Amino acid sequence: EVQLVESGGGLVQPGGSLRLSCAASGFTFSSYAMTWVRQAPGKGLEWVSAISGGGGSTYYADSVKGRFTISRDNSKNTLYLEMNSLRAEDAAAYYCGRDDSSIAAAGPVEYWGQGTLVTVSS
Amino acid sequence: SYELTQPPSVSVSPGQTATITCSGDKLGDKYVCWYQQKPGQSPVLVIYQDTKRPSGIPERFSGSNSGNTATLTISVTQAMDEADYYCQAWDSLTAVFGGGTKLTVL
Repeated sequence: EVQLVESGGGLVQPGGSLRLSCAASGFTFSSYAMTWVRQAPGKGLEWVSAISGGGGSTYYADSVKGRFTISRDNSKNTLYLEMNSLRAEDAAAYYCGRDDSSIAAAGPVEYWGQGTLVTVSS
Repeated sequence: SYELTQPPSVSVSPGQTATITCSGDKLGDKYVCWYQQKPGQSPVLVIYQDTKRPSGIPERFSGSNSGNTATLTISVTQAMDEADYYCQAWDSLTAVFGGGTKLTVL
């Protein structure tokens, strides 16, 4: 069974940093691209970033480019999202997702985690 | 930047057919997928590559995509289908979501 468990969310001040993790199990982690999607309270889904199965290709939404960094450790079956210079508008539930192939920026998010909440407030 | 437009809400009576549209420039040239999200839950993929259903998704869910419009159709709609639905496509290596449609079954 595919399982994705996010962690690392919490309260951070504007301008601060946070690192989200997503522990994956139930599949060969390195064979699949992974994605981060966020959802502000009461709002719609917003794609944040994606990374290929091998980690060599990464993609970002314009809204986070230069501030967020996606990475993965295939030896630990874990996906990360390093978030810097956080703003109020970054507050959201952050979901990690497994794509349907190793190629990022191409297919749907086939499986989703339960999400971790990030609050940005002073 | 590329945009996908969905109606904010759609209402349907139980047993009837629900149709949710997603519009974007030359959307028919791209693959579209659809997600269902119920309150307090994570999204679930219900349609990918315009028309394909993941395993476990009921046959009453179907999709199409042509021209500038993709459509999610739910036939014989059930109360359990009440949810928010989002379309998604890729443009220039960026994923774009529609704003979402709240489907009410009443």
